[in-house]
Amino acid sequence: QKEVEQNSGPLSVPEGAIASLNCTYSDRGSQSFFWYRQYSGKSPELIMFIYSNGDKEDGRFTAQLNKASQYVSLLIRDSQPSDSATYLCAVLVGTSYDKVIFGPGTSLSVIP
Amino acid sequence: DTEVTQTPKHLVMGMTNKKSLKCEQHMGHRAMYWYKQKAKKPPELMFVYSYEKLSINESVPSRFSPECPNSSLLNLHLHALQPEDSALYLCASSRPGRNTIYFGEGSWLTVV
Repeated sequence: QKEVEQNSGPLSVPEGAIASLNCTYSDRGSQSFFWYRQYSGKSPELIMFIYSNGDKEDGRFTAQLNKASQYVSLLIRDSQPSDSATYLCAVLVGTSYDKVIFGPGTSLSVIP
Repeated sequence: DTEVTQTPKHLVMGMTNKKSLKCEQHMGHRAMYWYKQKAKKPPELMFVYSYEKLSINESVPSRFSPECPNSSLLNLHLHALQPEDSALYLCASSRPGRNTIYFGEGSWLTVV
């Protein structure tokens, strides 16, 4: 089992719709979770981080964490064509202070 | 305050060359990372320095040699690389604690 998995893409949504991106992780001791956006040819850019169970909102983005189910999600409301990118879920593994591992990514296309 | 600077942006080297990638941050971050990213793949952790000491080496071949001269600088020395080592090399840094990592723009390496 891979340490971090994401829903396979590509994911296509119409402009203005909600995009839902999902991530599961294998190490139950993991405490910190991150979502990055990566445009083609660019480096990953941090969108959100979440540490506690529940929802965390930042503008059009909402991260959701359920540690019992080992599940993290990212919702993008009112999706825009500029949101078209690869979204990477990252996890600080177990009780490590340093080991941040990335999922395979989900490619999102927002269709005008 | 998320500036991580990497040089060079592009590097072409022969298999017998010795070269170095450099990374600098002035955010007071105490952990610094090297990741390798191949096309359409997620970043893959190579090395982590925490408080200027090597804390993680993900079984990286010895032709890659990291160095952390001080808390702001991180180098990756390259020697006798193979064409399959061609990739985007990403440097990142993080504050102590929750390890929210911030990436530089990356160095595109081509081995010929």
